[in-house]
Order: sequence, then C-alpha cells, then structure tokens
Amino acid sequence: KAGVTQTPRYLIKTRGQQVTLSCSPISGHRSVSWYQQTPGQGLQFLFEYFSETQRNKGNFPGRFSGRQFSNSRSEMNVSTLELGDSALYLCASSSRDSYAEAFFGQGTRLTVV
Amino acid sequence: AQTVTQSQPEMSVQEAETVTLSCTYDTSESDYYLFWYKQPPSRQMILVIRQEAYKQQNATENRFSVNFQKAAKSFSLKISDSQLGDAAMYFCAYITSYGATNKLIFGTGTLLAVQP
Repeated sequence: KAGVTQTPRYLIKTRGQQVTLSCSPISGHRSVSWYQQTPGQGLQFLFEYFSETQRNKGNFPGRFSGRQFSNSRSEMNVSTLELGDSALYLCASSSRDSYAEAFFGQGTRLTVV
Repeated sequence: AQTVTQSQPEMSVQEAETVTLSCTYDTSESDYYLFWYKQPPSRQMILVIRQEAYKQQNATENRFSVNFQKAAKSFSLKISDSQLGDAAMYFCAYITSYGATNKLIFGTGTLLAVQP
C-alpha cells in the first residue's frame, strides 16, 4: 500500500508569491491534516479535512487555505508569501474520522527568499 | 485549551541501555488519546506508541513502553535496549476524544542521540 505522498519535496519561492502544496493520502483514508513545522514554533496544526469538509482550522492568517477533493487528495495554498512562512509542511492521513493513528508524508520544505 | 510539554530538549543514551523521555500535558477532559511519534532525519513522522486515557494498562510495543499517570497528567516513553536506529526527534502528542477530529497537539520534541 502506498504511503502518504507530498509534492513537491522542495520549493523555493520569493516573498509576495503564492504557493500550492499537494498531498495524496493513503488509499481509503478520508481524513487529511496539515501541519507547519519550524525550529521556533515546533509543530503547529494548520487545518483538517474529512470528506471534502474542513473540520478544524488552526490559528493561522487567512493567507493559508486548503481544500480536499472527492478522491481525498488535498492541497494547501499560501498567498502573499512572507519570509516567516519558510517551514516544513507535513500532511497526515487517517483511516477513521476521529482520534486515529496519523500516517505522515515526508513533507514539503518551503523556503521563502 | 490542551497543551503538551516536553521538558527535555535533548537526551543521550548508550547503545543497549534504557532511556526515558518525559511528557506532561494539561487538559480538563477525562477522555483523550496520547501518542509518541518519532521523526528521524528523513523527516517522516512515524507512530511509536498510542495510549487511550480510559485504559489503565500502560501500552507496550516491543522495546517501547509508556508510563501513563492520568492523575499526574504524565506520559513518559521508555526505550529499552536502545539501538542506533532509535536516534531521532521524539514528539508527544494529544488528541481529544470529544467531537470528530484527528487534530494532534504536539509537544516541542526531544532529540535523542544514541551513542555506540
């Protein structure tokens, strides 16, 4: 069974640009969550989707958005990039709708210059 | 709001020895789930062990076991017979059992070094 796939693995963007990151969950998983990992703030929850509906959103500005498609694939978008958005973005999928083991992708390393 | 605290930024252990990583959490809920995740240099987070708060018995997975003290809100991870491959960042995490969610609340992590 294929794991969680995140693309791209690495990305360099300029301040002010926008970026879209993609996550393909494990086949059959309908729950997808996104996390931002930085040395200073650690792992912070961005948002969570289940069956194309956003169920939870973390404390991030409106520049951060996401969506989930009918095949459970998810994308997150960051508009008007800032230097502080440089981070590892992790996607996790789960097989149940609640308190289930999360399977993580390898992440997308975003660098904003 | 729930919080998770890991007070040991770094730990070191000799190969084949035992090490214990600490985690405390704060919550007003009576039912929840606790996890330990491992993040090796490859960056991919891997579940190590899981504990349901309503279960008094401590979870065990091979060389990994937890000491879950609900009243003290403590959830430590013991790694026995440490191996070089155990070197990684370890994160303690919490999920509420109230409402439908898979949202993980993470601690700041403990970087474990294993000395040969």
